[in-house]
Amino acid sequence: SQQGEEDPQALSIQEGENATMNCSYKTSINNLQWYRQNSGRGLVHLILIRSNEREKHSGRLRVTLDTSKKSSSLLITASRAADTASYFCATDPNSGYALNFGKGTSLLVTP
Amino acid sequence: DAGVTQSPTHLIKTRGQQVTLRCSPKSGHDTVSWYQQALGQGPQFIFQYYEEEERQRGNFPDRFSGHQFPNYSSELNVNALLLGDSALYLCASSLTSGDNEQFFGPGTRLTVL
Repeated sequence: SQQGEEDPQALSIQEGENATMNCSYKTSINNLQWYRQNSGRGLVHLILIRSNEREKHSGRLRVTLDTSKKSSSLLITASRAADTASYFCATDPNSGYALNFGKGTSLLVTP
Repeated sequence: DAGVTQSPTHLIKTRGQQVTLRCSPKSGHDTVSWYQQALGQGPQFIFQYYEEEERQRGNFPDRFSGHQFPNYSSELNVNALLLGDSALYLCASSLTSGDNEQFFGPGTRLTVL
């Protein structure tokens, strides 16, 4: 069963705009990771945020984590057409080694 | 620094056949996990190997088995293929002493006819 749930399922924006995706999960976690996937290819690791961190930045990416609400958000600033992809959050639970993925958010950035 | 590699890229099999997929982890990584991703879904965890042993298994039948070699590379075997086994199979590697930060290969697209 899938642990994380991304919201929205699909998002369409224009180049230059910001894109925000949300992720909710159910159990306690060690960390939460965000991935990008282009057209059914392999997943690209974007960023990892630990359970004791509240915010993390990497280039145009900003990730927040609220463990009290069991939620995370991924913000992509100044979006480009090349950001068009599916984005997944994956939770690393305290109880094991498997990453639990949601169904992803499909992002379309139009020129 | 080579990332995670998988072979083959694509594979077409018929129902009842057996298949073996291969994965080489990122340099320095000692742990390999396998995931199945159906169309339009997120990856589902199959199992994880560390020190040549299956360390954790997801909700997959015994038809799915694996192996890890001393050089940390891994194989995924699926017996008695069903149409529903058609999916993208993803291998991910990580360092067991780290944060379980998993890096994925490009995947093997398996089609069962």
